[in-house]
Amino acid sequence: AQKVTQAQTEISVVEKEDVTLDCVYETRDTTYYLFWYKQPPSGELVFLIRRNSFDEQNEISGRYSWNFQKSTSSFNFTITASQVVDSAVYFCALSEAGTGRRALTFGSGTRLQVQP
Amino acid sequence: DAGVIQSPRHEVTEMGQEVTLRCKPISGHDYLFWYRQTMMRGLELLIYFNNNVPIDDSGMPEDRFSAKMPNASFSTLKIQPSEPRDSAVYFCASSLKAGGQRSYGYTFGSGTRLTVV
Repeated sequence: AQKVTQAQTEISVVEKEDVTLDCVYETRDTTYYLFWYKQPPSGELVFLIRRNSFDEQNEISGRYSWNFQKSTSSFNFTITASQVVDSAVYFCALSEAGTGRRALTFGSGTRLQVQP
Repeated sequence: DAGVIQSPRHEVTEMGQEVTLRCKPISGHDYLFWYRQTMMRGLELLIYFNNNVPIDDSGMPEDRFSAKMPNASFSTLKIQPSEPRDSAVYFCASSLKAGGQRSYGYTFGSGTRLTVV
């Protein structure tokens, strides 16, 4: 069965610090998708990125970057020069494409607090 | 595109009452998901549909919960009778099956915050 682990429950940093949110996943499927979502205090789930299991290239989008390593089953998320607006709960999620089970399995989330 | 629309945004009800949550998926999406978010259990899948047919309802807590999708543009999640432990945020999401990069994207509604007193 699939599983996503976000071991960091809460992280607190000071503005402009870099921060990395860890995500470790388990799946027996060879074809799968990994996601990161942001949940700001307003409560909605905001899509950040999707990565498929065949694409291990790291991705950078502005201050955000993602490191996907199949060898360690990890999909970590780094925010460079954090800002107060980055304060939110961040969820990593997995969807197994090969099995046809389309539902997302979420990690427990990491609450990031960026202090001014 | 209006996105996934959920109603109501907030619902406060008394224990024992029936509660109905509603969801309108993105037009053309053929998968619809219901998730529940609580502090204790995080985001958990309740049920999902493909082309209006329930595929996996193993996450539905008990018989008090039921979900329907009478057509491609509407789904309901009903709790009868409601209990205080049902208090949570309920999210609906939809997804497109088409292949390529457009697949495996999930769009979430704003959620319904349910409080059962």
